[in-house]
Amino acid sequence: QVQLVESGGGVVQPGGSLRLSCAASGFTFSSYGMHWVRQAPGKGLEWVAFIRYDGSNKYYADSVKGRFTISRDNSKNTLYLQMNSLRAEDTAVYYCAKEGGAGPPYYYMDVWGKGTTVTVSS
Amino acid sequence: AIQLTQSPSSLSASVGDRVTITCRASQGISSALAWYQQKPGKAPKLLIYDASSLESGVPSRFSGSGSGTDFTLTISSLQPEDFATYYCQQFNNYLFTFGPGTKVDIK
Repeated sequence: QVQLVESGGGVVQPGGSLRLSCAASGFTFSSYGMHWVRQAPGKGLEWVAFIRYDGSNKYYADSVKGRFTISRDNSKNTLYLQMNSLRAEDTAVYYCAKEGGAGPPYYYMDVWGKGTTVTVSS
Repeated sequence: AIQLTQSPSSLSASVGDRVTITCRASQGISSALAWYQQKPGKAPKLLIYDASSLESGVPSRFSGSGSGTDFTLTISSLQPEDFATYYCQQFNNYLFTFGPGTKVDIK
């Protein structure tokens, strides 16, 4: 079955770095764009970043631009999020999510992982 | 950037009630709107895309309508498993935006 499994979350000090991974299975990973979406404690959903199926284009929310980098390794069916210069406000559950269709960009997200928790605190 | 607002922010309803949630975009977005359901401690689940298309496996009591700036999600007969938070989402120029959410709880 289609599955996304995030890992790499943890506790990090302000200014620190962390790399999240998302392992995909059950579908042709290299055909779909992928997202990272986060949710701060008790808050709503916030889109973080999107990468096209082939890694050719990457897009970021203003809140993370210049600090976070989305990437993928299609040979390993894995999505990444490199997070640098972390701030307290980056504390959240981070979800990876699959684009709703293959080919032209699909804006909706049809499969989500269970999430990994990032806590930025001294 | 296009902003999404949802109303109400929360509502209390009983099993069997008809529930309607509204999502409004600050600019026209054609029909490019999706709805998600999220239960506490769980990942969001896609319910509706393209404003009115039901995702595979989602019960038919869920429906969506609207275009342009005004959209609605309707649950025709609320079931116990439908108590959750609902989010709308849109996309414009590769910026993806979620609404603030509507929490549906038990009256």
